[in-house]
Amino acid sequence: QLQLQESGPGLVKPSETLSLTCTVSGGSISSSSYYWGWIRQSPGKGLEWIGSFYYGITTFYNASLKSRVTIAVDASKNELSLNLRSVTAADTAFYYCATLMYSGTNSDFWGQGTLVTVSS
Amino acid sequence: DIQMTQSPSTLSASVGDRVIITCRASESISDWLAWYQQKPGKAPKLLIYRASNLESGVPSRFSGSGSGTEFTLTISSLQPDDLATYYCQQYDRYWTFGQGTKVEIK
Repeated sequence: QLQLQESGPGLVKPSETLSLTCTVSGGSISSSSYYWGWIRQSPGKGLEWIGSFYYGITTFYNASLKSRVTIAVDASKNELSLNLRSVTAADTAFYYCATLMYSGTNSDFWGQGTLVTVSS
Repeated sequence: DIQMTQSPSTLSASVGDRVIITCRASESISDWLAWYQQKPGKAPKLLIYRASNLESGVPSRFSGSGSGTEFTLTISSLQPDDLATYYCQQYDRYWTFGQGTKVEIK
């Protein structure tokens, strides 16, 4: 059973870079069985897909965030990372690490989420 | 980008009622649609995948139907534990969520 755990600063200043790490246990992030991704949810709002990584293939980003986002994998640490540059208050949200649904799977796994507040 | 539109945004129903939530895609997504339940302070939980398949462990009062652009999630007999917000998600081309339907118990 996969387990995902997000970690990183809970407070980021405007114009700086938000950096989060997702540590995966119970399976390998190098597995081709999963699309690994980040999803966020502003307080009281809906869910927004940020981007995804499929090992050995490529990375996909939400067009609305593409210019500011980088998702990467450190296979040696079994970790997925998220960097979001030039943040504003609108980036304040719960950030979730998850495996995403696709045609080759019928289940998914989510981390518990971590709240990041953008404020000076 | 594929847009997902849910209705209603909020619904209030009594225990035992049949509840139906609708999700419409801006273009055909075949049956690549999932439904999630999210309770306050928790991550979303998968209920239905590929439009009509019940995730293991999910109560049988939940069901999904539809294909193409029109989909529904039905709760056959609403229970107090079903108080939550429900989201549809397409995974035909990238991933997009509906805006959510908050279910309240009368």
